[in-house]
This record gives sequence, structure tokens and C-alpha cells, in this order.
Amino acid sequence: DVKVTQSSRYLVKRTGEKVFLECVQDMDHENMFWYRQDPGLGLRLIYFSYDVKMKEKGDIPEGYSVSREKKERFSLILESASTNQTSMYLCASRRAGTGSEKLFFGSGTQLSVL
Amino acid sequence: AQSVSQHNHHVILSEAASLELGCNYSYGGTVNLFWYVQYPGQHLQLLLKYFSGDPLVKGIKGFEAEFIKSKFSFNLRKPSVQWSDTAEYFCAVNEGSGGYQKVTFGTGTKLQVIP
Repeated sequence: DVKVTQSSRYLVKRTGEKVFLECVQDMDHENMFWYRQDPGLGLRLIYFSYDVKMKEKGDIPEGYSVSREKKERFSLILESASTNQTSMYLCASRRAGTGSEKLFFGSGTQLSVL
Repeated sequence: AQSVSQHNHHVILSEAASLELGCNYSYGGTVNLFWYVQYPGQHLQLLLKYFSGDPLVKGIKGFEAEFIKSKFSFNLRKPSVQWSDTAEYFCAVNEGSGGYQKVTFGTGTKLQVIP
């Protein structure tokens, strides 16, 4: 069965800390995405990567960076965590193609910044 | 940039009632459209998708959606809901071409089905 694994289910950090969220997929997918999910706001795209070492800003990239050194791993980095980054973070991947391919999601990481 | 609007934020229905959830998008080019569902405590999963051909698409669990290009809409329907359909539903649109393709989601609709 296909799998997208996010390293932590729950994470508590302090303001100003550097935070790493890791995502690994085992399907050899080219495309990977990071979203944050907030009540009433749906899923908002932070960054995406269409291949190794390639990255593109999504709709809300401010305060975040990403790294994709290997095809299976896509990391989201909060350089200096702030309380407004408290959220559920979802990683997704899919095969590259026509754009009709479905996304496979991880279980999410609930990040609390105190 | 693409935007996706879902008009209903919270819908409450009795079992056996019919469901229609609205979705409108702004992208004027070729689109691929999706509905995803998130059941309580579970991953987001694909319900159905449209990429070409017949504008009426059928998905899992008796759901269907109709793509109306002139209205930029992709509404989700089910003739008779069940308690197990209680979930949050997200409309999504793929934009771009080649390697640069991103998927934009709407704000979601929480559906509560009362037995």
C-alpha cells in the first residue's frame, strides 16, 4: 500500500525555535506538497516540489522554507517559529503527469508554538 | 492565481436527504478538478475527479459531480446521504502545465448527517 509518512503526529515548540517537519513517500513520486490546514481556511499551499532539488512557492510561503535533496523526502522548515504558525501541517505526494493524478496525504503533524 | 470557493461552510442534513455542495473556481485554462473527503480522524482521500470527457463524473460511495465550464463550477451531489457521510469535503483544482503544476483547495464544507 502506498504511504506518505510524516515524522511526528504532535509537536510542541517555543517561539523562535527552528522547526523541521519531515515527510517521506515510498511511491517514487515526483511531486510533493506542503499544506497547512486551519479551521475555516481549508488547506493552504505553502511550498511544492515537482522534482528533486526543485521547489516552488505556494500561496503562503512567508516564514517557511523547504528542502528536497532526495526524491522520497520533502522537508518543511520554520526558521523561527511564531505562534501564528500553530497549525496542522499536511504533506502530500503524487506522480507527475497531466495534472489529473490524485494526491496521497500523510496523517499530518499538529504543531503548537508556545 | 487560482482561487477555489466553497459556499457552504457547514451543512446539517438528516439521513436520506439529498446533498449538493457548491464549488467554483477562477482559473480560465484547462482544469483538472477534484473532490477530496476527510472523515473524522482519517487522511484526506480522493472522492472523485474530472479531467476530460463526460462532465458528469461518478466517484466512490455514490457521490457524483458535474463540471459546468460556463459557470466555472464543479458541484458535488449525492441523492441520499448516510450517517457515515459525516466528514469534511474539499474541492480542489490543478493548475499549470508540464512540471509546474499546483493544486489549490477550497475552504472546505463540514457535513453533519443526523440519524
